[in-house]
Amino acid sequence: DAKTTQPTSMDCAEGRAANLPCNHSTISGNEYVYWYRQIHSQGPQYIIHGLKNNETNEMASLIITEDRKSSTLILPHATLRDTAVYYCIVRVALGAQKLVFGQGTRLTINP
Amino acid sequence: GAVVSQHPSWVICKSGTSVKIECRSLDFQATTMFWYRQFPKQSLMLMATSNEGSKATYEQGVEKDKFLINHASLTLSTLTVTSAHPEDSSFYICSASYKRDGTQYFGPGTRLLVL
Repeated sequence: DAKTTQPTSMDCAEGRAANLPCNHSTISGNEYVYWYRQIHSQGPQYIIHGLKNNETNEMASLIITEDRKSSTLILPHATLRDTAVYYCIVRVALGAQKLVFGQGTRLTINP
Repeated sequence: GAVVSQHPSWVICKSGTSVKIECRSLDFQATTMFWYRQFPKQSLMLMATSNEGSKATYEQGVEKDKFLINHASLTLSTLTVTSAHPEDSSFYICSASYKRDGTQYFGPGTRLLVL
C-alpha cells in the first residue's frame, strides 16, 4: 500500500472549517484514500473514503486532487469533540484488506 | 449501523495468567475481523487478520502461540493473550469488515494491564 504523509499536528478554532492535508504521491490507480480518526482512549472511527471523485457525508468532505497525489479532509464546522488524531490511509478496496496506520495528524480544536 | 463491541473494556491481571478479549459485530455479519495493538503515544499496529471458520493470519513478529485468535462465527472473534507478561500491557482494538469495499469498523478497545 502507498505511504502517506500528514502534518504531525494542527490547530483550528471552534466553528471554523478544519482542513487536514494528506500527501500520497505514490498512490496506485486502484487504491482508495481512507480517513479515520481516533479520539483519545477510543477505537478509530471511520470518516470517509474515496477513489478520485470528491466525496461528502454527514461527517466530512474529502477532496482528492486530479492527479490523486494528495487529498484534503474537510470538517466544515469543527467542534471541540472533533479533537482527535486523524489518519489518512491508502489501500486497495478489494474485500478485506488490512489498514496500515501512520502517525496521523493530531487536530486540536480550540474554543 | 456497523457497530462493533469489545469486552471487557479494561482488564488487570497477574503475570502468567491468560486473558480473553471478545470482539462482536452487533448489527452485521463480519466476514473478516482484525486485531490491532496500540502502545502509549504510538499508532495502531495490526497483529492478525481472521476470517470466519479459518485460521488467522498473523503479522510478522506476532507470536501466534501467544496471541490465540478464534473466529468461530460471523459476529464473534476472540483474542486470548496466553501467559501474559507486563510487556503485553497495551490497548487492544478489533475491527470488523463486511462491505465489499472492505471498510473496517472498529471496536472501542480493551485496555490490558499485566502486573
